[in-house]
Amino acid sequence: KAGVTQTPRYLIKTRGQQVTLSCSPISGHRSVSWYQQTPGQGLQFLFEYFSETQRNKGNFPGRFSGRQFSNSRSEMNVSTLELGDSALYLCASSLTGYTGELFFGEGSRLTVL
Amino acid sequence: AQRVTQPEKLLSVFKGAPVELKCNYSYSGSPELFWYVQYSRQRLQLLLRHISRESIKGFTADLNKGETSFHLKKPFAQEEDSAMYYCALMGFGNEKLTFGTGTRLTIIP
Repeated sequence: KAGVTQTPRYLIKTRGQQVTLSCSPISGHRSVSWYQQTPGQGLQFLFEYFSETQRNKGNFPGRFSGRQFSNSRSEMNVSTLELGDSALYLCASSLTGYTGELFFGEGSRLTVL
Repeated sequence: AQRVTQPEKLLSVFKGAPVELKCNYSYSGSPELFWYVQYSRQRLQLLLRHISRESIKGFTADLNKGETSFHLKKPFAQEEDSAMYYCALMGFGNEKLTFGTGTRLTIIP
């Protein structure tokens, strides 16, 4: 089985721009979660989707949004980028989202200049 | 609210010595606890979960509800254990996995 795939792997943006990150889960997995990883804060939960519905959301401003498509692929969007948004964004998939067993992608490293 | 605390950012242990990575949690109900590991240049992956009560790669972890702890232990460290370890908590019926800030374990040859 192919693992979780995230694109792009690296990107550089400037303040004020917006960015869209993509995640393809493991085949058959219907839950997709997003995390922001930074050296200071560690892994912070952004949101979780299941069957195209957002079931849970972390404490991030409204500039962070996401969606899930009928094929379980997911995207997250960050608008009006700030310097502090520079981070590794990790996507993880699981069968149902209730088991705690997440399969992570390699991440998309965003640098905001 | 759910919270996970890993008090040690860095931990160095000699090969063959015992390892203990500390994890404390805060949660009002019955949590599910996990340990995730990230080896160099690899993806973050599940190491073990408390409900399966199994030993993975020689590591074990016992949930102590009285002390709200879930420490990860291994009796004899090996060089390949060097990695970043994250403790994580999931509340009952909650799809959100809360991670600690992680402990970087280095095994000294």
